[in-house]
Amino acid sequence: DAGITQSPRHKVTETGTPVTLRCHQTENHRYMYWYRQDPGHGLRLIHYSYGVKDTDKGEVSDGYSVSRSKTEDFLLTLESATSSQTSVYFCAISDGTDTPGNTIYFGEGSWLTVV
Amino acid sequence: GEDVEQSLFLSVREGDSSVINCTYTDSSSTYLYWYKQEPGAGLQLLTYIFSNMDMKQDQRLTVLLNKKDKHLSLRIADTQTGDSAIYFCAESHTSSGTYKYIFGTGTRLKVLA
Repeated sequence: DAGITQSPRHKVTETGTPVTLRCHQTENHRYMYWYRQDPGHGLRLIHYSYGVKDTDKGEVSDGYSVSRSKTEDFLLTLESATSSQTSVYFCAISDGTDTPGNTIYFGEGSWLTVV
Repeated sequence: GEDVEQSLFLSVREGDSSVINCTYTDSSSTYLYWYKQEPGAGLQLLTYIFSNMDMKQDQRLTVLLNKKDKHLSLRIADTQTGDSAIYFCAESHTSSGTYKYIFGTGTRLKVLA
């Protein structure tokens, strides 16, 4: 299994509070991603990073910000959580080379409930 | 934009073959993937195929790619109850020098004993 750790794994928070999810990797991969998974929508990309301090928006970035100050850590912040952000959040990594498959690997997920 | 589509549900009997289908729109896809997600877990890579290949076989899994029709399928032979899961199709391509991955909505496979 790829060395990806997400924390917290489960969190319940109140509407309007800030929340930060952390993704830590031990693979030294260049690319890191945050996805959310919702029924009927599959996986949707929130933000991604292609290096330290290099980030870009995905298809559902509104209400989220990210930071990557070290290769191994990628943080996802909900500045003011809303009920629509109740979801399962997955961190993923890839090395961004032309190695066979150029595979993306996933963490175990963080279940967030906003009440 | 790029899109990947899958049917939402598939039900098969134990021992039968399962075929999960996927269509995609991006003609510049480099690799196509199948991932498996069990309840409460992340996505695990099952197999992938390079876009210039037609078929790839790996034990009970057979991947077929029809690039002309942009159609990908995953066949699971001798399906077992442990194969019950959600299966995601995905494609990767480069855009502005960055690798991007597009996932389908997932197909929930239920294997009946």
